[in-house]
Amino acid sequence: EVQLLESGGGLVQPGGSLRLSCAASGLTFNTHAMTWVRQAPGKGLEWVSAISTTGGSTYYADSVKGRFTITRDNSKDTLYLQMNSLRADDTAVYYCAKWGAVAGTFDKWGQGTLVTVSS
Amino acid sequence: DIQLTQSPSFLSASVGDRVTITCRASQGISNSLAWYLQRPGKAPKLLICAASTLQSGVPSRFSGSGSGTEFTLTVTSLQPEDFATYYCQQFFSYPFTFGQGTRLEIQ
Repeated sequence: EVQLLESGGGLVQPGGSLRLSCAASGLTFNTHAMTWVRQAPGKGLEWVSAISTTGGSTYYADSVKGRFTITRDNSKDTLYLQMNSLRADDTAVYYCAKWGAVAGTFDKWGQGTLVTVSS
Repeated sequence: DIQLTQSPSFLSASVGDRVTITCRASQGISNSLAWYLQRPGKAPKLLICAASTLQSGVPSRFSGSGSGTEFTLTVTSLQPEDFATYYCQQFFSYPFTFGQGTRLEIQ
């Protein structure tokens, strides 16, 4: 069974940094592109970032470009999201998800990790 | 960026009803559209990819159609577990985007 387990969320002050991790199991991790999607409290889904199977290609939403960095370690079956210069509007549940058979769709999601940016 | 507008934003229906949700794209996206269901406190679940292809394991009462700029998700014979929030998502070009969501509640 495919499982994605996010960790690393928590409370951080504005301007601070946080690194999220997503540990994958039950799949051949290095054959799947991955993505991060977030959801602010009571709001809809917002796509954040995506990374290719090798990590050689990365993509970002305009709202996080230049502040967030997506990476992966295929030897550890783990996806990361380094978040710098955090703002209050980055407060959200962050989900990692794997791409499905149709590229750009997300067929398996983690349970999410909450990031709260507040002083 | 491609904007997706869902209608309605809120829908009230009863078990056994048929409902339709529309997703309109700000520019043509071919059939590069997916639909997700999200129950409260849970992660989203992929229902339909490529506008009309049912994801494995998803009940056949769910169906999708459309191409270009207008898409629909139809649920026939609503079941209690279908009352949730539905999102469309385009994967035609980066940045990927989601619709604002349609909340389906029990009447």
